[in-house]
Amino acid sequence: EVQLVESGGGLVKPGGSLTLSCAASGFTFVTYMMNWVRQAPGKGLEWVSSITSTGSHIYYADSLKGRFTVSRDNARNSLSLRMNSLRAEDTAVYYCVRAVGYYDTSGYYSLPYFDYWGQGSLVTVSS
Amino acid sequence: DIQLTQSPSSLSASVGDRVTITCRASQGINNYLAWFQQKPGKAPKSLIYGASGLQSGVPSRFSGSVSGTDFTLTISSLQPEDFATYYCQQYKTYPLTFGQGTRLEIK
Repeated sequence: EVQLVESGGGLVKPGGSLTLSCAASGFTFVTYMMNWVRQAPGKGLEWVSSITSTGSHIYYADSLKGRFTVSRDNARNSLSLRMNSLRAEDTAVYYCVRAVGYYDTSGYYSLPYFDYWGQGSLVTVSS
Repeated sequence: DIQLTQSPSSLSASVGDRVTITCRASQGINNYLAWFQQKPGKAPKSLIYGASGLQSGVPSRFSGSVSGTDFTLTISSLQPEDFATYYCQQYKTYPLTFGQGTRLEIK
């Protein structure tokens, strides 16, 4: 069974830092792209970051402007998100999400889509 | 960035109804569109990928279709557990983007 368990959330003051972790199990972690998606209270879903299976390619939402850093440890089956210079607008539930590709109707291997989500970790930025 | 516009934003329906939710992309995305269901206080759940592929374990009353840049999620016969918020998402290009969500409520 695929499991993604986030940890590390909590209350932090504006300007502070926090690191989220995601422990993965039930699948071969090293072969999957991994992602972070967040959801502010009462709002919709917002993509944060993606990292390829080997960590060779990393993508971030423009709005993060270099404040967030994603990394993975394939030996430990874990994903991390380091968040610096936190702002009130970063308050959200942060989800760890697995992404997988598939063969489409033309026989080509697709781009990865989000198939499994963790339960989320709440980050609250407030003084 | 690719914009996804969902309609309607909210919808009231009854058990047994057929329901359709639309997601319009601001440019072509080669069917790289997924649909998710989210219930209050829970993580999103994958329903559809590649515009029409059914995620494993998802009931067959859920289906997806596409016409150009218009994508549709259909629930053929609403069940009580289907009342939730639904999101579309494109994975054609970065930044990955979501629709604003459609809240499906009980009439």
